[in-house]
Amino acid sequence: GAGVSQSPSNKVTEKGKDVELRCDPISGHTALYWYRQSLGQGLEFLIYFQGNSAPDKSGLPSDRFSAERTGGSVSTLTIQRTQQEDSAVYLCASSSAETQYFGPGTRLLVL
Amino acid sequence: GDSVTQMEGPVTLSEEAFLTINCTYTATGYPSLFWYVQYPGEGLQLLLKATKADDKGSNKGFEATYRKETTSFHLEKGSVQVSDSAVYFCAPNGGSYIPTFGRGTSLIVHP
Repeated sequence: GAGVSQSPSNKVTEKGKDVELRCDPISGHTALYWYRQSLGQGLEFLIYFQGNSAPDKSGLPSDRFSAERTGGSVSTLTIQRTQQEDSAVYLCASSSAETQYFGPGTRLLVL
Repeated sequence: GDSVTQMEGPVTLSEEAFLTINCTYTATGYPSLFWYVQYPGEGLQLLLKATKADDKGSNKGFEATYRKETTSFHLEKGSVQVSDSAVYFCAPNGGSYIPTFGRGTSLIVHP
């Protein structure tokens, strides 16, 4: 069956531009997570969606970061006025029964 | 909240060598324990899991035993292959909807 997909797979942008990253979770998974993985680092939790509940945004590093989840399925992570320190791999995961299913990630490079 | 300590990497081995990657955790209650693997250029994927004390999770020749008395979940493989080169993440889940991931241990296997 289809796994978690993310797009784009790679994104190069200039400092100050806005970017949108997309995640399509596994159908039927109500929980969706965004993480950031900097080079050689572990996973940094960003935001969590569960069904129609208000998202847990406690991991967002600044107000330049926001995320939406439409119709309980597709999610978009938006980074406004990108900075060089935003360069990282952004991973999306959906969850069932405690197990996380990850997408391949979007590699963001801010020049 | 939950926390996890993994051995620092990289771990460098020759093909067919024995592998151990240590993982210890702190968690409230009775966590489920997970190992995830991240191959180069990919997202994380579940390698194995165990949900109660003395359970052994296994997959692809890897094993880990849930040791409640030592709060450990060490990953082992008797004979590693070059294709096992990846980053391995230990992840206890004590029931929080925000999983805890270790910093990851990079494994490099030489032919």
